[in-house]
Amino acid sequence: DTEVTQTPKHLVMGMTNKKSLKCEQHMGHRAMYWYKQKAKKPPELMFVYSYEKLSINESVPSRFSPECPNSSLLNLHLHALQPEDSALYLCASSQDSGTSGYFEQFFGPGTRLTVL
Amino acid sequence: KNQVEQSPQSLIILEGKNCTLQCNYTVSPFSNLRWYKQDTGRGPVSLTIMTFSENTKSNGRYTATLDADTKQSSLHITASQLSDSASYICVVSWRTSGTYKYIFGTGTRLKVLA
Repeated sequence: DTEVTQTPKHLVMGMTNKKSLKCEQHMGHRAMYWYKQKAKKPPELMFVYSYEKLSINESVPSRFSPECPNSSLLNLHLHALQPEDSALYLCASSQDSGTSGYFEQFFGPGTRLTVL
Repeated sequence: KNQVEQSPQSLIILEGKNCTLQCNYTVSPFSNLRWYKQDTGRGPVSLTIMTFSENTKSNGRYTATLDADTKQSSLHITASQLSDSASYICVVSWRTSGTYKYIFGTGTRLKVLA
């Protein structure tokens, strides 16, 4: 199984809502990532989990809260978002987070988030 | 400053034609470079990955080249198909403080017309 799955595919939420994005992989990868991608722009790294521990937080606002319950799952909890947070949120996984220097990231299909 | 620049920003070609996309980087010390294809609204899919010692790598109709001296890479698409319409993103990795980081280029949006 070389697939990264993400749910939901689409999400519309108000600025006062609380929602969560989910990501799952069963490739035995020990690193998982959240990216945010605006239209016609490259993905921007948000968080990296390595061996279920948060290793990188790229100064992401606290209204985004990541969680890694186990090595196969990654969540992104959303609260009090702003309309400018509307974007495609991509999850990715890799064998490790970069200690080997030659790792491939496998991306999920993304969640299209719209904040009203 | 580590940077990755891609050109052209967008490209339109006719089905069956060849095209070449460019990626220039200033990353140092260089570790590896990969090309991704991203269909609209989907996650990127890896096409090739090259290290310092590799000059050329192919994946079907996609051929990537790397010149580590000039810090340039190209992705050549042969006999384009409608399904090649996508964004192509160059990602460069470097080593710093014992770990590896990477930076995404801005991408080239390719449209193949029938």
